[in-house]
Amino acid sequence: AQRVTQPEKLLSVFKGAPVELKCNYSYSGSPELFWYVQYSRQRLQLLLRHISRESIKGFTADLNKGETSFHLKKPFAQEEDSAMYYCALRGYGQNFVFGPGTRLSVLP
Amino acid sequence: DSGVTQTPKHLITATGQRVTLRCSPRSGDLSVYWYQQSLDQGLQFLIQYYNGEERAKGNILERFSAQQFPDLHSELNLSSLELGDSALYFCASSVGWAEDTQYFGPGTRLTVL
Repeated sequence: AQRVTQPEKLLSVFKGAPVELKCNYSYSGSPELFWYVQYSRQRLQLLLRHISRESIKGFTADLNKGETSFHLKKPFAQEEDSAMYYCALRGYGQNFVFGPGTRLSVLP
Repeated sequence: DSGVTQTPKHLITATGQRVTLRCSPRSGDLSVYWYQQSLDQGLQFLIQYYNGEERAKGNILERFSAQQFPDLHSELNLSSLELGDSALYFCASSVGWAEDTQYFGPGTRLTVL
């Protein structure tokens, strides 16, 4: 079965501190993984995907197949990073499975 | 607004009723996706259409159905509504059917009383 877990409902860090949002998945094939972000009063939007290996707004995520993880990292958090973050997997039959989300709060 | 649009913004109805939610994709996008977001279930993928054809199916109930029309707009039909169907329903669109970035609409909030 396809499943995505995000163990932290809420993560609070201070501005300038490193941040890591955890994502683990279960999938028997080669997954396609994404991070989506929803800022306050804005639409859900794609932050990054593992196949492009790009850095967006200073965030990176590495797919670790051994640990079945796709953690999102940023070395220095900014207040504008405060948002809801969703990890998602696209697997069998092109179905998307989303994690429950982590609310990141960056404190001044 | 050249982005994804959804109507209505809010919908309040009673149990047992049927409603239709509408989504217009971005200009040039051929794929439309439907999602349901509720407090207890989180964000769930329902169904994807590409150029009028069903492409992928997620956790969509039999009481729910969707279609994509020749002008590429899509409708999600929800019937025999139950209290548990109260949720935010999102639509997203993308250019292609597999690899492309999805762009989300603002959502329709459905309340079933």
